[in-house]
Amino acid sequence: GESVGLHLPTLSVQEGDNSIINCAYSNSASDYFIWYKQESGKGPQFIIDIRSNMDKRQGQRVTVLLNKTVKHLSLQIAATQPGDSAVYFCAEIPNRDDKIIFGKGTRLHILP
Amino acid sequence: GAGVSQSPRYKVAKRGQDVALRCDPISGHVSLFWYQQALGQGPEFLTYFQNEAQLDKSGLPSDRFFAERPEGSVSTLKIQRTQQEDSAVYLCASSPQTGDTGELFFGEGSRLTVL
Repeated sequence: GESVGLHLPTLSVQEGDNSIINCAYSNSASDYFIWYKQESGKGPQFIIDIRSNMDKRQGQRVTVLLNKTVKHLSLQIAATQPGDSAVYFCAEIPNRDDKIIFGKGTRLHILP
Repeated sequence: GAGVSQSPRYKVAKRGQDVALRCDPISGHVSLFWYQQALGQGPEFLTYFQNEAQLDKSGLPSDRFFAERPEGSVSTLKIQRTQQEDSAVYLCASSPQTGDTGELFFGEGSRLTVL
């Protein structure tokens, strides 16, 4: 079954505030995690990735945090904008496996 | 175009019909993936090609599903004798790398509705 899941299906955030999207995983052997963004009617789009030898990685306005002790990762989006409205998926590549396994997703809703 | 192209974008089929979904990956991309996405769910892996070789088809839900990539470029996902539970968006993705890559380039998907 799925080992990647999300705590909340919908997250509403005021425009300009920071967003934090959480994800739990169950496979302790997984060593590579990815965040994807999917806008309505489009395919998923890669945002950022992190390997298990890191606990933090930053991109443009986004930060991914990995806590291997509790098997949790999060995506932080700074100064949330209307264009950030989408469904966000955390995903993993289990060790020695080539395919990406996606979680169920969190919808991010931006309040004006 | 520069991105992954999928056709048709929308397909309505009567139960029992066969359908074929096409994917044109980004030129030169070695890896090609098919995913199935039901409404409100995350994409579910179906199958993976490296060039023309189908290296993993463990996600295909039944023998009614068949995928090919004969020349290592364009791929076709065929579903025979469609059932209502096959209704979903079928996503194709490609990557220039082989193995252990988290960055896939997805097409916009083919939405299949089986009546």
